[in-house]
Amino acid sequence: DTGVSQDPRHKITKRGQNVTFRCDPISEHNRLYWYRQTLGQGPEFLTYFQNEAQLEKSRLLSDRFSAERPKGSFSTLEIQRTEQGDSAMYLCASSLYPGARSAQFFGPGTRLTVL
Amino acid sequence: DQQVKQNSPSLSVQEGRISILNCDYTNSMFDYFLWYKKYPAEGPTFLISISSIKDKNEDGRFTVFLNKSAKHLSLHIVPSQPGDSAVYFCAAGSSGSARQLTFGSGTQLTVLP
Repeated sequence: DTGVSQDPRHKITKRGQNVTFRCDPISEHNRLYWYRQTLGQGPEFLTYFQNEAQLEKSRLLSDRFSAERPKGSFSTLEIQRTEQGDSAMYLCASSLYPGARSAQFFGPGTRLTVL
Repeated sequence: DQQVKQNSPSLSVQEGRISILNCDYTNSMFDYFLWYKKYPAEGPTFLISISSIKDKNEDGRFTVFLNKSAKHLSLHIVPSQPGDSAVYFCAAGSSGSARQLTFGSGTQLTVLP
């Protein structure tokens, strides 16, 4: 399977705990994106990397959120001191840049439930 | 401030007929548009895209039309099949930005056998 993979697929945690998600992009893709999706809404952009550099962060990404892509391959998204409002589907996508306006390809997502 | 809007939360069509999903946008900087399909418990799957230099792009049963003056795009599926039943998201991007995509809220398409 050469698609985008995410781990875990589901995470249930208690408020105040820290959680970390992993994303493995399509191997030749140099751009990696994180999105968040809540019920009834489309995905909302959080942040993106080109290779190992984090180039943009949305205002949705509070200081409790941190993302890394240390070697320009896989990425991790950590949420510290989780809140109930963090409950959502966290989606990772990757793309190849430059490309002729290449599409972003999404993983299956990690569903986070904060109790 | 929703920059990409899908005003129909749901659409039902009969198998074999045409499905037309609509999307409106407000940001004139958008120059690249995509449609994604999403099944429950899966991530969005890329379907088809169109650049602002075109007004139509076709791929098999899927055709996307872009009307820049109206800031409107539509996805046509002909003929519709039961397996097309899913949530369809319209997304827009700008080559001048970070290439992040802005998504609409989705339309649930149900194709009735």
